[in-house]
Amino acid sequence: GDSVTQMEGPVTLSEEAFLTINCTYTATGYPSLFWYVQYPGEGLQLLLKATKADDKGSNKGFEATYRKETTSFHLEKGSVQVSDSAVYFCALSDRDTNAGKSTFGDGTTLTVKP
Amino acid sequence: EAQVTQNPRYLITVTGKKLTVTCSQNMNHEYMSWYRQDPGLGLRQIYYSMNVEVTDKGDVPEGYKVSRKEKRNFPLILESPSPNQTSLYFCASKDQGGNSPLHFGNGTRLTVT
Repeated sequence: GDSVTQMEGPVTLSEEAFLTINCTYTATGYPSLFWYVQYPGEGLQLLLKATKADDKGSNKGFEATYRKETTSFHLEKGSVQVSDSAVYFCALSDRDTNAGKSTFGDGTTLTVKP
Repeated sequence: EAQVTQNPRYLITVTGKKLTVTCSQNMNHEYMSWYRQDPGLGLRQIYYSMNVEVTDKGDVPEGYKVSRKEKRNFPLILESPSPNQTSLYFCASKDQGGNSPLHFGNGTRLTVT
């Protein structure tokens, strides 16, 4: 079956540091890829997505590129802020069925210190 | 405002006392789903529904029931809750198809004593 593996956390960075959270996947079909973010006390919300190979998703200074050859979708941000402290989930969705079932990684907790 | 609304946000109950967590979405989404989030286990799907009157088991359906009588509502029912169902629960909805992202509610923190 499909699976998503994220780098283990927690990750602690100083403000303005560079962020990378690694994500790799295995899928039987040709999935769409997503990053979701969960702020304390809230549900997950979409951060960015990419639906085909070499697509780059971007939002709020975060970027991730769909790399089919390495089955990866690493999340990056050039300069993190305290407000970026949250849990980040990598996910894939099967494009080839109407169900579009989503598979999530275990989440990576990011703490940014001033 | 487009949203998924869950109620209640917090619930403390005792073993065996039936409870229902409600979920409603106002985006006319056909697909709805329930997840539980536990430390170290990530998000696990309980049940999902692709349309009215169509529901199917996810990865961890034991001990739960759902119904989909209307498009907007997808309640989660625990007929006889047990302490191992203490968890954070999320309802989500989306358009059909793999390209569509999920829209999540704010969660229900359930404690079963």
